[in-house]
Amino acid sequence: EAQVTQNPRYLITVTGKKLTVTCSQNMNHEYMSWYRQDPGLGLRQIYYSMNVEVTDKGDVPEGYKVSRKEKRNFPLILESPSPNQTSLYFCASSTDRYQPQHFGDGTRLSIL
Amino acid sequence: QKEVEQNSGPLSVPEGAIASLNCTYSDRVSQSFFWYRQYSGKSPELIMSIYSNGDKEDGRFTAQLNKASQYVSLLIRDSQPSDSATYLCAVRDSSYKLIFGSGTRLLVRP
Repeated sequence: EAQVTQNPRYLITVTGKKLTVTCSQNMNHEYMSWYRQDPGLGLRQIYYSMNVEVTDKGDVPEGYKVSRKEKRNFPLILESPSPNQTSLYFCASSTDRYQPQHFGDGTRLSIL
Repeated sequence: QKEVEQNSGPLSVPEGAIASLNCTYSDRVSQSFFWYRQYSGKSPELIMSIYSNGDKEDGRFTAQLNKASQYVSLLIRDSQPSDSATYLCAVRDSSYKLIFGSGTRLLVRP
């Protein structure tokens, strides 16, 4: 089954404790991206990647890092999480940057 | 800052009626337009894409695009309670970034 898989689905943690949210897709997609969704603000892009070892900042990259060492994986790293990073996070992928994106099930992060 | 605007709603329609959802965008050279449906607590799901002016129909859904007016809409015919969700308009801008509106909440009353 074609899918984008995120882990964990839910996480409650504390300020400053490094965390990684994993994202993996099995569709051989080149383009992957991370979004955060906050009430009233819609989906905002954090980072995107057009292919292996090619990543770039989206609209709200501060406080986040990503890497793309393999085509299927695109982890989101919060080196020192803060409460303002409490949000619902989605990973998405598509064949290329021109095609509509398919979303993972989401990760709800709470930073206390 | 490029923007995609949607009325937050809720838009309430009776079962069987036509629901009309609207979206405007600011980037005049945008070429690709998408409608996603998002149920509460779930991920966005692509339901329509449209790339040229006019109407595009898929089952009960019709997307309409007017690039001159920078306006895209989604019509849902014979609305069902299962259509109750938030509908997100997304526009791919001139730098190929996908920009989302904040969504319109649709309620279909049985």
